[in-house]
Amino acid sequence: EVQLVESGGGLVQPGGSLRLSCAASGSGFSFSTYWMNWVRQAPGKGLEWVANIKPDGSEKFYVDSVKGRFTISRDNADKLVYLQMNSLRAEDTAIYYCAGAMIQGGIMVQHWGQGTLVTVSS
Amino acid sequence: DIQMTQSPSSLSASVGDRVTITCRASQSISTNLNWYQQKPGKAPKFLMYVASSLQSGVPSRFSGSGSGTDFTLTISSLQPEDFATYYCQQNYSPPFTFGPGTKVDIK
Repeated sequence: EVQLVESGGGLVQPGGSLRLSCAASGSGFSFSTYWMNWVRQAPGKGLEWVANIKPDGSEKFYVDSVKGRFTISRDNADKLVYLQMNSLRAEDTAIYYCAGAMIQGGIMVQHWGQGTLVTVSS
Repeated sequence: DIQMTQSPSSLSASVGDRVTITCRASQSISTNLNWYQQKPGKAPKFLMYVASSLQSGVPSRFSGSGSGTDFTLTISSLQPEDFATYYCQQNYSPPFTFGPGTKVDIK
């Protein structure tokens, strides 16, 4: 069974930095074939897609509100994806989910982690 | 950026009811649409892709349709475990925006 486990969340002051990690595991999970995404959910709010990275790491995309502040990266050898978050703001407070997506033979497969909470507050 | 809207924002229904949720994109996204189910305190669950293809293991009472800008998610006979919030998401072009969600609760 595939598992994605996020870590690195916590309380940080406005203007501070945090690095989230997402570790993938599971037999038969070809991490290097998956687009990896970060999706967040502010308390009591809906889902917001934040960023994703191509399987080989050559392309990255971000929502406008985090461009220039957040950086997504991955390590295919160790099956890890990261979200470096700088210049954090109160509005970045949310549960951050890691999600992997892959299409093979016309069939899409997705896996989600359970999330890690980031709180930006003084 | 492509904006996604959903209607209704919430609905009350009974077990056995047929439920339809509508999702609309601000521009054509072909069939590049996913649906998710989320229960309180849990991660979203991936239900459907390319507007109408069920993820493995999702019950057949769930169905999806649409293309271009207008899409629907239908639950043919609502079950107790279906009470949740449902989100659509376009994966046509980044940023891959979600709709605001539709909460389905018990009448």
